[in-house]
Amino acid sequence: AQSVTQLDSQVPVFEEAPVELRCNYSSSVSVYLFWYVQYPNQGLQLLLKYLSGSTLVKGINGFEAEFNKSQTSFHLRKPSVHISDTAEYFCAVSDGGSQGNLIFGKGTKLSVKP
Amino acid sequence: EPEVTQTPSHQVTQMGQEVILRCVPISNHLYFYWYRQILGQKVEFLVSFYNNEISEKSEIFDDQFSVERPDGSNFTLKIRSTKLEDSAMYFCASSEQGRFGYTFGSGTRLTVV
Repeated sequence: AQSVTQLDSQVPVFEEAPVELRCNYSSSVSVYLFWYVQYPNQGLQLLLKYLSGSTLVKGINGFEAEFNKSQTSFHLRKPSVHISDTAEYFCAVSDGGSQGNLIFGKGTKLSVKP
Repeated sequence: EPEVTQTPSHQVTQMGQEVILRCVPISNHLYFYWYRQILGQKVEFLVSFYNNEISEKSEIFDDQFSVERPDGSNFTLKIRSTKLEDSAMYFCASSEQGRFGYTFGSGTRLTVV
């Protein structure tokens, strides 16, 4: 069975500092990987996704993630965060079926302080 | 940009009552989903729907739950007899191509009292 582990439940960081949110997955088959962001009192918004091809994926709002098959990781990075990046970030893996049902990690709360 | 619309944004209901959560998926999408997020926990898959039938459901999606696409535009989730533990944020999502990612609505917060 597939699973997703987000190692950090909370990440505090100062504005303009770099950030990395970690995600590891387990799967015995090819996977599709996603990062979603949830701003306070809002729904889930897709940040970026890895389906195939280049292992470095660029998303919205200056975020990027790198797929590392040997380490089964898909860490999310941003070189310089803003206050507005304060949100909860969810890593998810698709189970590979045609329906694309997602298995989510527990989420990482990013708090950006001035 | 096209959106998935969910109504209501917040619903309070008494234990044992039936609730219907409504969703309007993006118009050209073919795959539809419901997920839920209990406060402080991870987002969990409930059910996927394609070609007018359930294609997959999780253990959570028991006989108390049902889904329907009554008129070609709405996609509803019904909980027949709500329990306290059904309190959660319920997200609807739709996708054009299934596995390649989809668009979530902003959710309905269901509170069972």
